[in-house]
Amino acid sequence: AQSVAQPEDQVNVAEGNPLTVKCTYSVSGNPYLFWYVQYPNRGLQFLLKYITGDNLVKGSYGFEAEFNKSQTSFHLKKPSALVSDSALYFCAVNYGNMLTFGGGTRLMVKP
Amino acid sequence: ETGVTQSPTHLIKTRGQQVTLRCSSQSGHNTVSWYQQALGQGPQFIFQYYREEENGRGNFPPRFSGLQFPNYSSELNVNALELDDSALYLCASSLRRVGGPWEQYFGPGTRLTVT
Repeated sequence: AQSVAQPEDQVNVAEGNPLTVKCTYSVSGNPYLFWYVQYPNRGLQFLLKYITGDNLVKGSYGFEAEFNKSQTSFHLKKPSALVSDSALYFCAVNYGNMLTFGGGTRLMVKP
Repeated sequence: ETGVTQSPTHLIKTRGQQVTLRCSSQSGHNTVSWYQQALGQGPQFIFQYYREEENGRGNFPPRFSGLQFPNYSSELNVNALELDDSALYLCASSLRRVGGPWEQYFGPGTRLTVT
């Protein structure tokens, strides 16, 4: 069975500093990995995905993610955080066209 | 915005009642998935519809059922509501094509409260 873990319930970062939101996965076969963001009272917005190829994936709003097969990780990163990045972030793995989500990490960016 | 719409926005039902939630998929998409997001948790997959047939189901009882229509819109029906069914219900549409997996685009959700 596939699973995703987000070890941090909340990440706090100052505006302008780099941010990292962590994700580890467990799947059989090739991992298809996704990051979504959820703003209050909104649905999930797609940020980026890893299917194959380069380990560094670039996505929307300046976000990128680094796939590390040996560490089974897919951490979300951004070089310079904005206050407007404050939201709930979900890592997910696609298996059989079904998305399995982690529990989410709340990102708080302070001015 | 993704172009996926859901109705109603909020709904309050009593335990034991039945509820129908609706979803209109993004133009050009042929697959609809439904997820349940309990408060403080990640979304959980309920089921997926492709070509009007169920194409995968998560760990949900049969009282959760669905439909997909020829225009690819979809309904989620829940019978015999329980208090634990209180959650945000998310619909996601995608374009199924050779080579998957396909990005799923989510609607804003329907907040269901069961009292």
